[in-house]
Amino acid sequence: EAQVTQNPRYLITVTGKKLTVTCSQNMNHEYMSWYRQDPGLGLRQIYYSMNVEVTDKGDVPEGYKVSRKEKRNFPLILESPSPNQTSLYFCASSFPGQIQETQYFGPGTRLLVL
Amino acid sequence: KQEVTQIPAALSVPEGENLVLNCSFTDSAIYNLQWFRQDPGKGLTSLLLIQSSQREQTSGRLNASLDKSSGRSTLYIAASQPGDSATYLCAVPVIKAAGNKLTFGGGTRVLVKP
Repeated sequence: EAQVTQNPRYLITVTGKKLTVTCSQNMNHEYMSWYRQDPGLGLRQIYYSMNVEVTDKGDVPEGYKVSRKEKRNFPLILESPSPNQTSLYFCASSFPGQIQETQYFGPGTRLLVL
Repeated sequence: KQEVTQIPAALSVPEGENLVLNCSFTDSAIYNLQWFRQDPGKGLTSLLLIQSSQREQTSGRLNASLDKSSGRSTLYIAASQPGDSATYLCAVPVIKAAGNKLTFGGGTRVLVKP
């Protein structure tokens, strides 16, 4: 089954404690992205990757890091989480080309930073 | 800058009634428009992707129309069921942005009452 998986699904942490949210896709997609969803602000792109070892900032990259060492995985790293990073996070993947390609989203990770 | 708006933000209908969900966008130069469904704890599921050259796209009880000139798309759900209760989001790719970035509307939360 084609899918994007994220772990953990729920996470409560404290300010400053480093954490990693994993994302994996089984569709051999080149493109992967991270979005965060906040009430009143909708979904905003954090980082994206166009292939292995190729990553770039989205609209709200501050406080986040990513890596793309393997095609299937795209972890999101919060080195020193702060309460304003409390949000619902989604990983997405697709083939290149915006014209025809559907994007697939993971189930989301709900993060609470105390 | 493209802006995507969905009105109303919430909608409640009795079971069996047809649903009409609206999406408007400010820049008519779009590649395509995608409709998603978001269930609590289950992430985003792609429902329909309608290309800029298409006027409509159908899948089962779902029909999406696209009018680029007026900057509008409408998602019709026929004979609504309680299982259709969810938040529906529309999104368009950002033109010439790397990484298949999407601009999302704020969503319409739908409740279908038995």
